[in-house]
Amino acid sequence: ETGVTQSPTHLIKTRGQQVTLRCSSQSGHNTVSWYQQALGQGPQFIFQYYREEENGRGNFPPRFSGLQFPNYSSELNVNALELDDSALYLCASSIQGIGNQPQHFGDGTRLSIL
Amino acid sequence: KQEVTQIPAALSVPEGENLVLNCSFTDSAIYNLQWFRQDPGKGLTSLLLIQSSQREQTSGRLNASLDKSSGRSTLYIAASQPGDSATYLCAVLWMDSSYKLIFGSGTRLLVRP
Repeated sequence: ETGVTQSPTHLIKTRGQQVTLRCSSQSGHNTVSWYQQALGQGPQFIFQYYREEENGRGNFPPRFSGLQFPNYSSELNVNALELDDSALYLCASSIQGIGNQPQHFGDGTRLSIL
Repeated sequence: KQEVTQIPAALSVPEGENLVLNCSFTDSAIYNLQWFRQDPGKGLTSLLLIQSSQREQTSGRLNASLDKSSGRSTLYIAASQPGDSATYLCAVLWMDSSYKLIFGSGTRLLVRP
């Protein structure tokens, strides 16, 4: 069984640029969630996708957007990068929403904004 | 406003001790509560998930309890080992008008040999 994989593992960008982070869900999982984790803090929920549609969103501005593809892989796009966007971005997948099943996390993408 | 708090922020214990990590939350109308472990530079590993109708869950040396009325959960680790050293995160799911999964800031645990 393949776990959740994220790419790239590390990324350096400058203010104002755009970035795309990728996530491959665990086999059989149709729900993906994205989180932002600042250093020393717990993850903050960005949004969730279920069967290719956004199905919940946290308190993040519209410049954070996402996609889920038919094979249930996913992308997180961030436009107009700001210094505060520097964080570990985590992707998690689960079966049929996260209400009753635990989420499985990838190891994250470390994004640094200069 | 829904919030999740974890106490203590850091804990250091000698190997073999039993220990308790605490998680408190506002708004008792939760859907479920989950405990995670995070090793440095890594993602999260799910340890235990407790549905709102349950009081506790057990897995090996771990036991998590849930008291919705008081807004509290505890993670009990028996006979701690150096390999238990990690950050432990509590996450609460509310599903009222929208989906809200909120994490605490975690407890950083060090088990000394």
